[in-house]
Amino acid sequence: AQSVTQPDIHITVSEGASLELRCNYSYGATPYLFWYVQSPGQGLQLLLKYFSGDTLVQGIKGFEAEFKRSQSSFNLRKPSVHWSDAAEYFCAVGARGGADGLTFGKGTHLIIQP
Amino acid sequence: DTGVSQDPRHKITKRGQNVTFRCDPISEHNRLYWYRQTLGQGPEFLTYFQNEAQLEKSRLLSDRFSAERPKGSFSTLEIQRTEQGDSAMYLCASSLGTAYNEQFFGPGTRLTVL
Repeated sequence: AQSVTQPDIHITVSEGASLELRCNYSYGATPYLFWYVQSPGQGLQLLLKYFSGDTLVQGIKGFEAEFKRSQSSFNLRKPSVHWSDAAEYFCAVGARGGADGLTFGKGTHLIIQP
Repeated sequence: DTGVSQDPRHKITKRGQNVTFRCDPISEHNRLYWYRQTLGQGPEFLTYFQNEAQLEKSRLLSDRFSAERPKGSFSTLEIQRTEQGDSAMYLCASSLGTAYNEQFFGPGTRLTVL
């Protein structure tokens, strides 16, 4: 069965500093990988996705993520965070073929210090 | 607005009552998913429709839960004889019928069972 681990429950970063959120997955083949962001009272918004090809993917709001097959990781990065980035971030894995629901990690709560 | 919509946004009910939630997917999307999200957790997959056919159900979906998508458009999720443990955010998502499984989420229905 597939699974996703986000080892950091909370992360605090100063505004303007760089950010890296960790995600490790378990899946029997090459998965589809996603990062979603959830702000209070808002639905989940897709930040970026990896399907195939270039292992460094760019997303919205200046985020990027790198797929590392050897480490089963898909870490999310941003070079300079803004106060508006404070939110809950979820990594998710999906089966190829699209016939299944996504499996999400428990999320990382990002706090931005002024 | 062409996004996924859910109604109601909030529902408070007493234990033992039945509740029904509605989800309207993005119009051209033929796949529709239901998830449940409890506090401090990531969304957990409940069930999935391809057009009007319910193709997969999670073991989380007890006999008290039923979902329909009668004409392949909107979907309803009914919970009978609600229990306090049913209190959660219920999320709906939709996707195109491609292999990529990129899902777009609605704002959710927050259920509180007293």
